[in-house]
This record gives sequence, structure tokens and C-alpha cells, in this order.
Amino acid sequence: DAEITQSPRHKITETGRQVTLACHQTWNHNNMFWYRQDLGHGLRLIHYSYGVQDTNKGEVSDGYSVSRSNTEDLPLTLESAASSQTSVYFCASSEYRSSYEQYFGPGTRLTVT
Amino acid sequence: GIQVEQSPPDLILQEGANSTLRCNFSDSVNNLQWFHQNPWGQLINLFYIPSGTKQNGRLSATTVATERYSLLYISSSQTTDSGVYFCAVERTLRTSYDKVIFGPGTSLSVIP
Repeated sequence: DAEITQSPRHKITETGRQVTLACHQTWNHNNMFWYRQDLGHGLRLIHYSYGVQDTNKGEVSDGYSVSRSNTEDLPLTLESAASSQTSVYFCASSEYRSSYEQYFGPGTRLTVT
Repeated sequence: GIQVEQSPPDLILQEGANSTLRCNFSDSVNNLQWFHQNPWGQLINLFYIPSGTKQNGRLSATTVATERYSLLYISSSQTTDSGVYFCAVERTLRTSYDKVIFGPGTSLSVIP
């Protein structure tokens, strides 16, 4: 069965370190999205990609970057982790460019100390 | 930017009761969706409903785009309905692609 996975599921890191969160999907979807979820804010879009070599900034992209070298993966990198980036991160993929029928991964809980 | 509000923020129901969740948005949108996040954190699409009414079993949703709100109805609630319900809106901007804005969610607890 097709799926979308994230790793690690939990991570603790120190302020200033570079961190990469992995997202892998086997739906063969062109469109992939990264969100963060914080109490009181719902989900907020960080970056998204409409295909290989395509990346776009979302609502809260500062301090984050993504790269898309193949269809299956969209890793999210925190260049220099800050305590404000402590959050739960969700990856999603979709056959469509919009949020229509997005399939979400299980999430990664990141703590920056 | 566009603002999305959801009400009520929290809701406790006895099993079997009905409820209505509301989503208000501040500007015209192209798309609107309802999601359910279960107590284990998994997010599931419920409805894609930019306008009109849809039903899926005990759940139904109505969006009145001209008045900028959407309603999610849960009938005969079950404990498995517990979790957080989000609405998310999108609009296609002139100089950008779709931008997704989630509301803060309604936390629902259904007790036996």
C-alpha cells in the first residue's frame, strides 16, 4: 500500500544545530507540503513543492529550507535550530496542487533545547 | 492575510448527541476543507467543500461561500469522533500558487 512516512518521529536537539527531518511518500505524488503545528495556531504551511527541483515558501518559511531532488522525498532542514522551532512537524502529499485530498504523515515532534 | 476562526474552541458531548462546528473566514476563498486529527495525532481529510453541502455517513458539511462560513455537523456522536477538527481554506493569489490557512481547531471529546 502507498504511504507517507516521516523520520525521526521524535528528536531533541540543541539551539544552533542543523537538523533535517525526512519525508518519504510512495503515492508518486508530485505535490508535497510541510506544516508545523503549535497550540493555538492549528497547522501553518512552511514550504511546498510541486515537483522535482520546485520549491516554494509558505506562511512561516523563515529559518527552514527544503530541496526536491526526486518525486518521493522532501526533506526539511532547520539551518540553525531555535527554541521557537520546537513544534510538531507534518509532511503531506497530494495528487493536486491544492490541499485537496492531502495525505499526511504521522508527524515528527521536535524539541529544541 | 486571511483570518480563519473556529467555534467553539472546545466541546464535550455525551455519546449519541449531535453537534455543529463552525468555521468563519475573512476573505473569499477558492477551496475549503475539513480535517479530523485523532487523539494519536493522525490527520484525515473529511470533506473538500468550497461550496454547497456534502454528507458522509454521520458527518455532513455545508459551506456558504458568499457569507464566508462553513459548518460541520456530527450526528449520533461516538467516542471515536473525539479529537480536533480543523477547517482549512485556500485562495489562489495572482502572483503565487495556492496558500493554505488552517483554523485553530475545535477540540471535541465524546464521553460514553
